[in-house]
Amino acid sequence: GDSVTQMEGPVTLSEEACLTINCTYTATGYPSLFWYVQYPGEGLQLLLKATKADDKGSNKGFEATYRKETTSFHLEKGSVQVSDSAVYFCALSDRGGNTPLVFGKGTRLSVIA
Amino acid sequence: DTAVSQTPKYLVTQMGNDKSIKCEQNLGHDTMYWYKQDSKKFLKIMFSYNNKELIINETVPNRFSPKSPDKAHLNLHINSLELGDSAVYFCASSQRGGSHGTQYFGPGTRLLVL
Repeated sequence: GDSVTQMEGPVTLSEEACLTINCTYTATGYPSLFWYVQYPGEGLQLLLKATKADDKGSNKGFEATYRKETTSFHLEKGSVQVSDSAVYFCALSDRGGNTPLVFGKGTRLSVIA
Repeated sequence: DTAVSQTPKYLVTQMGNDKSIKCEQNLGHDTMYWYKQDSKKFLKIMFSYNNKELIINETVPNRFSPKSPDKAHLNLHINSLELGDSAVYFCASSQRGGSHGTQYFGPGTRLLVL
């Protein structure tokens, strides 16, 4: 079945450092790819998405590019802030729109001032 | 104007009790889901409904019974609660054929079984 593998945390960075969280996937067909973020004590929020090869999703300074050749969707940010401290989940789903998301195990990011 | 809402947000109860969690979405979506997040933050699908019909049931104990009275609501009833049921339960919704599979999540219900 489909699966998502993302780097295990926790990741601790100083403010203004660069962030990369690796994510690779295995899927039949051509899934949509997502990054969701969960701030402490809160629910899941969609951070960004990409729905076909070479698409780049971006939001709040975060970016990820859908790489079909390497089956990857790495999350990047050039300069992190304390407010970015959260758990980040990579996920995929069928583009048809009514199949469950398959999540990676999540990566906890802590940004220190 | 919350898109996906859940009640209650917190639920503390004793082993053996029966409890329900409610979910409502005002996005006009036709598909709704229940996910369970364990203590290690791992998220796993439990159920999926499309137009009020169950389409996915992922080897969940039959103590868990979802019910969808209409497209906008998906409730979860849990009988004879066990310690291992302690988790965060998330409701989500999506539109078949729309937004390329994007799902929108509720704030979660934090269930603690004592």
